[in-house]
Amino acid sequence: SAVISQKPSRDICQRGTSLTIQCQVDSQVTMMFWYRQQPGQSLTLIATANQGSEATYESGFVIDKFPISRPNLTFSTLTVSNMSPEDSSIYLCSGEEAYEQYFGPGTRLTVT
Amino acid sequence: RKEVEQDPGPFNVPEGATVAFNCTYSNSASQSFFWYRQDCRKEPKLLMSVYSSGNEDGRFTAQLNRASQYISLLIRDSKLSDSATYLCVVKGNTGNQFYFGTGTSLTVIP
Repeated sequence: SAVISQKPSRDICQRGTSLTIQCQVDSQVTMMFWYRQQPGQSLTLIATANQGSEATYESGFVIDKFPISRPNLTFSTLTVSNMSPEDSSIYLCSGEEAYEQYFGPGTRLTVT
Repeated sequence: RKEVEQDPGPFNVPEGATVAFNCTYSNSASQSFFWYRQDCRKEPKLLMSVYSSGNEDGRFTAQLNRASQYISLLIRDSKLSDSATYLCVVKGNTGNQFYFGTGTSLTVIP
């Protein structure tokens, strides 16, 4: 199974700033996903990231707020822009390998 | 209607008990089905893929009923370490999106 790492693991940021989260996979994966999870709730998909094309965003999420890069088959970044306290959450990246999805450990973001 | 629905629980069961979770999905053309386990403050981890013929892995048995559009997870001889949230996940037949249920909370009590 794919092993996925994320950094930072956590951060505390001031409102109005931006944070870029990095996601690294130990093998090449076609599809990568970015999710958000509030405490006690299930995962909400932000966007799907394919290598070589623009990310596909879900309803309620826009590129200006959550720009995503996918420069190759093992790496992706998610930027949370112009942050507000409502952006405080856990952000998870995942990669799909052999039709199964594997997750990174998550980035715990607190916006003050 | 949600793509995937689960009973959120919580399920509180004694050690050694057998517990079953069900999950329904709305898209009859869905292709792939999974159970994930998520411990508190951790990422979801794949527990089992669910195959049409059903599959078993030790104390865990997963079954798929396409006619009724539900999948189930059976845990036998529950251990304290089984305490977690169990997420039902379905992949549709178009696009690449995985649909997550809200999760079922299980606590195994000594």
